[in-house]
Amino acid sequence: EAGVAQSPRYKIIEKRQSVAFWCNPISGHATLYWYQQILGQGPKLLIQFQNNGVVDDSQLPKDRFSAERLKGVDSTLKIQPAKLEDSAVYLCASRGAAQEQYFGPGTRLTVT
Amino acid sequence: RKEVEQDPGPFNVPEGATVAFNCTYSNSASQSFFWYRQDCRKEPKLLMSVYSSGNEDGRFTAQLNRASQYISLLIRDSKLSDSATYLCVVNWPPGSARQLTFGSGTQLTVLP
Repeated sequence: EAGVAQSPRYKIIEKRQSVAFWCNPISGHATLYWYQQILGQGPKLLIQFQNNGVVDDSQLPKDRFSAERLKGVDSTLKIQPAKLEDSAVYLCASRGAAQEQYFGPGTRLTVT
Repeated sequence: RKEVEQDPGPFNVPEGATVAFNCTYSNSASQSFFWYRQDCRKEPKLLMSVYSSGNEDGRFTAQLNRASQYISLLIRDSKLSDSATYLCVVNWPPGSARQLTFGSGTQLTVLP
């Protein structure tokens, strides 16, 4: 079974630039999550989708972050404009009927 | 107060040692509990679920104390390959909105 795919794996941008991350969940997984993991901390949930609908985006900084999952399969997370404090690993995870969440390899973002 | 608190460590132990990690959570209505393992620069992966009666998986034993809102992980006969960050994870709320809240992790290094 293929795992959660994410791209790009690494991205370096300057502050105030825009960036987008892509995630393709495990086939058949209805629930998709985006997390932000800052160095030395645990992952923090940004947004949760159930199929193509948003379940929870209460921790998403909506002035600069946006996410979509238009067809209920893959998803994109965008940051516009980026700030220095956005430097982190952005993890995508998906979940099927069971409780376990499966994480992708993440995108490591460096904002300079 | 953080929702999930862990001793960040680091814990440096010799091979063969027994080591225990503790975690407390603030939401008394939390439903499910897990330990995830995260290797350096990798994504988190489920290590084991934590059941009310306590559970064991080989060298790993997890325990839950709902009254004290406390979770523990015991690793016996430590191996070099156990070196990783161990994340305490709480699952809330129930139903389709189920989400994971992560602690900041406890870093373990097993020394030869």
